[in-house]
Amino acid sequence: TQLLEQSPQFLSIQEGENLTVYCNSSSVFSSLQWYRQEPGEGPVLLVTVVTGGEVKKLKRLTFQFGDARKDSSLHITAAQPGDTGLYLCAGANYGGSQGNLIFGKGTKLSVKP
Amino acid sequence: NAGVTQTPKFQVLKTGQSMTLQCAQDMNHEYMSWYRQDPGMGLRLIHYSVGAGITDQGEVPNGYNVSRSTTEDFPLRLLSAAPSQTSVYFCASSASLGPNNYGYTFGSGTRLTVV
Repeated sequence: TQLLEQSPQFLSIQEGENLTVYCNSSSVFSSLQWYRQEPGEGPVLLVTVVTGGEVKKLKRLTFQFGDARKDSSLHITAAQPGDTGLYLCAGANYGGSQGNLIFGKGTKLSVKP
Repeated sequence: NAGVTQTPKFQVLKTGQSMTLQCAQDMNHEYMSWYRQDPGMGLRLIHYSVGAGITDQGEVPNGYNVSRSTTEDFPLRLLSAAPSQTSVYFCASSASLGPNNYGYTFGSGTRLTVV
């Protein structure tokens, strides 16, 4: 069974601070996605990384896929209250019934003004 | 607006009752799935479908049925509700599985309480 471990589980920081969220597995994934979920809503896709070592930037968010495609990180620079939410990583392996996403349990981020 | 529509948004059931959670998408996506989200457990796959007429079980299928008669709709049926099925349910769709597909579109969820 493939598992994705996210850390930390909870993170409470002040506006302007930097933070990094980690997503680790012992399994190799074809791609890894990051979602953000706000209370009462469904997850919304932020980014997909496919190639080992790939780095993608989305404004103040930087996503990296590990060289071995087993782990990923999300770094937020100068966090703002609008970044508050649940961040989920999800791994995918393609082909047949293995094409479903496996989700980590999430990192709940709170950014205080 | 294009997307995934789930109804109802909230539901309270008594133990033993049955009900259907509705999910519809207007993006012509082939792949649809149902997840449940519980505190400390993350999102767990219940059932999924890779196209009309094709469904399969996910990680936690017991107590749930699905069918996919059209590309647009993917209802989830609770046969005899139990308190353990109290959860938030999400429907998701994507254009395809495979290297060209880069993400799910989720509905806004159904919060179900079984008493």
